[in-house]
Amino acid sequence: DGGITQSPKYLFRKEGQNVTLSCEQNLNHDAMYWYRQDPGQGLRLIYYSQIVNDFQKGDIAEGYSVSREKKESFPLTVTSAQKNPTAFYLCASSKGAGDYGYTFGSGTRLTVV
Amino acid sequence: AQRVTQPEKLLSVFKGAPVELKCNYSYSGSPELFWYVQYSRQRLQLLLRHISRESIKGFTADLNKGETSFHLKKPFAQEEDSAMYYCALSALSGNTPLVFGKGTRLSVIA
Repeated sequence: DGGITQSPKYLFRKEGQNVTLSCEQNLNHDAMYWYRQDPGQGLRLIYYSQIVNDFQKGDIAEGYSVSREKKESFPLTVTSAQKNPTAFYLCASSKGAGDYGYTFGSGTRLTVV
Repeated sequence: AQRVTQPEKLLSVFKGAPVELKCNYSYSGSPELFWYVQYSRQRLQLLLRHISRESIKGFTADLNKGETSFHLKKPFAQEEDSAMYYCALSALSGNTPLVFGKGTRLSVIA
């Protein structure tokens, strides 16, 4: 069953720690995206990748990092430099640039304690 | 810069009443517009795109370039339409990720 999987569903982090959110897809999609969803703010783009070993910053990339070593995987690291990391994080994928039938994951809720 | 504005955070309508979710955009080039929907406890999913000119679940949306709008409409609301709706934009030429509005929560009252 094809799809996009985000893990974990809930994540708690102490201040000053880095955490990595997982995003895996088996749809053979070339492009992958990370969005942050906050109440009243909609979805804001953090990073995106259109091909393996390449990625670009989105609108709110500060305090985050990504890698794209495999087509199927696009992990997001929330670093200690991110000032307000508590949020809901959504990963998405699409066949490629110009294909806007995004498939979204179920999300990871990160809470800083 | 691309921008999408959804002026209503919350819209409440009675079942059977018409629905219009507003979306305005700002973009100097040729836009491609979308509506995404998130039902309770479900993933965000594509509802419709303007280029397809289709009707999904009774919803339609027309791109009005003069008014830079892409309002989502349905003549008779159903309870199952209650959800969060996001308008999104990208360049028609492609190669740029979607820019989303802040969303409108639609509540259909029985």
